[in-house]
Amino acid sequence: DTAVSQTPKYLVTQMGNDKSIKCEQNLGHDTMYWYKQDSKKFLKIMFSYNNKELIINETVPNRFSPKSPDKAHLNLHINSLELGDSAVYFCASSPSGGVTEAFFGQGTRLTVV
Amino acid sequence: GQQVMQIPQYQHVQEGEDFTTYCNSSTTLSNIQWYKQRPGGHPVFLIQLVKSGEVKKQKRLTFQFGEAKKNSSLHITATQTTDVGTYFCAGGYNFNKFYFGSGTKLNVKP
Repeated sequence: DTAVSQTPKYLVTQMGNDKSIKCEQNLGHDTMYWYKQDSKKFLKIMFSYNNKELIINETVPNRFSPKSPDKAHLNLHINSLELGDSAVYFCASSPSGGVTEAFFGQGTRLTVV
Repeated sequence: GQQVMQIPQYQHVQEGEDFTTYCNSSTTLSNIQWYKQRPGGHPVFLIQLVKSGEVKKQKRLTFQFGEAKKNSSLHITATQTTDVGTYFCAGGYNFNKFYFGSGTKLNVKP
């Protein structure tokens, strides 16, 4: 069983489209995250949720909207996709936030054409 | 905002040579974590350091946390080709918030 699973693994879409990436963790963790990794491999935190509540929102454009229906799921919806949104998006979870290790999903490679 | 600087950006070594990557924060960290990301893979947790001056070892890997809790290092002794990947530090500033360094990409030539 995959601990943190993301779908889809690859996503190719045109500029202006709206797309969603789903994430689920079966570890019973309270905290979930979305990270963006660009072509230079920088890992930048985007959002963090703790027990379905948004606790970190790092200067991400409003086109990005996270949704946590329950503490095991954190989805990412992106409106009006732009070329600069092309990156690998990682979902992660941890038992209690930054004081413990984060478990990462396999990543979703988003390519906007 | 908080920022964690990591150097070097790249390191190419011959198998058997040692390797070190360094992380530095302008403000005091609550803890620091280290991750390894293999090419095409996802970050995998290696270790967490919490105490000032802490040193931890995992086989050929040695992790240090500075006395002021502003810097950290990862040292690999006698690198192997299986060590290839990008090593990230992640500095924790408060609950639920930690920032990744820019990573050091290690290439090991056999």
